[in-house]
Amino acid sequence: QKEVEQDPGPLSVPEGAIVSLNCTYSNSAFQYFMWYRQYSRKGPELLMYTYSSGNKEDGRFTAQVDKSSKYISLFIRDSQPSDSATYLCAMTVYGNNRLAFGKGNQVVVIP
Amino acid sequence: NAGVTQTPKFRVLKTGQSMTLLCAQDMNHEYMYWYRQDPGMGLRLIHYSVGEGTTAKGEVPDGYNVSRLKKQNFLLGLESAAPSQTSVYFCASSGLAASTDTQYFGPGTRLTVL
Repeated sequence: QKEVEQDPGPLSVPEGAIVSLNCTYSNSAFQYFMWYRQYSRKGPELLMYTYSSGNKEDGRFTAQVDKSSKYISLFIRDSQPSDSATYLCAMTVYGNNRLAFGKGNQVVVIP
Repeated sequence: NAGVTQTPKFRVLKTGQSMTLLCAQDMNHEYMYWYRQDPGMGLRLIHYSVGEGTTAKGEVPDGYNVSRLKKQNFLLGLESAAPSQTSVYFCASSGLAASTDTQYFGPGTRLTVL
């Protein structure tokens, strides 16, 4: 079983729809959870960072962590064509220098 | 403020050739990382450094060497390239450990080994 599972998609949605992405993980020691956004032929950039169970909101983006189920989610409200990108989940243990990444989920928002 | 830059952007090698990828950051970060990204595999850590003069192995270090002679630079070397090393290579840096600080990524180097 891989440490982090993420369905690579792709996922196509119409503009204005809610995008829902998720990752599951097997290592119960993971405490820190991130979502990175990667545009085509660019490097990843940090989108959201959480370290506890529950929800964290930043504008149109909401990150959700359920440690009991080993499940994290990213929601994008009112999706825009500029949200078209690959979204990677990542997670790690405190003090660790290695991030465990999911495979990435390609999202296409159709105008 | 350029952030993290990588040289070169593209490279084609023949099997057995060697090359060095250069990563430079201007954010005075202690931590630097080299990743490779392959279709269906996600990002995998090759080597990392927690400060000038230090290096450590990551998840997939075989076939690669690194050096951090200056704080702002992190070099990734391939001594004898193999087709399995065809990939997109990303460098990243952070001020603190990966768990407590943002990693800033470079634009990537696309390497093809024939």
